[in-house]
Amino acid sequence: NAGVTQTPKFRILKIGQSMTLQCTQDMNHNYMYWYRQDPGMGLKLIYYSVGAGITDKGEVPNGYNVSRSTTEDFPLRLELAAPSQTSVYFCASSHIQGSQETQYFGPGTRLLVL
Amino acid sequence: GNSVTQMEGPVTLSEEAFLTINCTYTATGYPSLFWYVQYPGEGLQLLLKATKADDKGSNKGFEATYRKETTSFHLEKGSVQVSDSAVYFCALSLPPTQGGSEKLVFGKGTKLTVNP
Repeated sequence: NAGVTQTPKFRILKIGQSMTLQCTQDMNHNYMYWYRQDPGMGLKLIYYSVGAGITDKGEVPNGYNVSRSTTEDFPLRLELAAPSQTSVYFCASSHIQGSQETQYFGPGTRLLVL
Repeated sequence: GNSVTQMEGPVTLSEEAFLTINCTYTATGYPSLFWYVQYPGEGLQLLLKATKADDKGSNKGFEATYRKETTSFHLEKGSVQVSDSAVYFCALSLPPTQGGSEKLVFGKGTKLTVNP
């Protein structure tokens, strides 16, 4: 199993550009999550999904959109990039709700908005 | 609301020194508690966890005990190695049966550097 994979590893965007951060997991996990990690801060939850076709906002959803058309994929979309979105983005997945299973994290995407 | 507070870093130790990273939490119910580790350039990995009071999580020489009376989950290791250099995150989650949503709430992280 590859686990959770993310692409790209690093990207530079200009203000106002758009992009999609890709996330794929091959563990057949129901739950998937997107976090951002700012310097000196913990992880903040952007969006999460409890299964295909179901998504919900986390703590910091503004400026982002997600979709979950399949169990495996959970892309994160930035429509109009802003400098405040400069961060490291982590995707994670976990097994069924209520089991208190471990979240498995991808290696991250470093995004710089100039 | 639910929150996690962990000691400010960075922490710099010599090899074979004793490590303690403090973590306290605030939660409306009885959360599960976790320590995650992030090595340079990588994503987070679960280091250890405890799901109820007095449980002790352990892995790779690290230990943490769930102390309900002090709402704490301090991370300890008796003898650190250079390879332990990383950022350590304390986190909690509450299951829906306790009014939570299973989502992790993270502390800000503590950077540990171990020198040879």
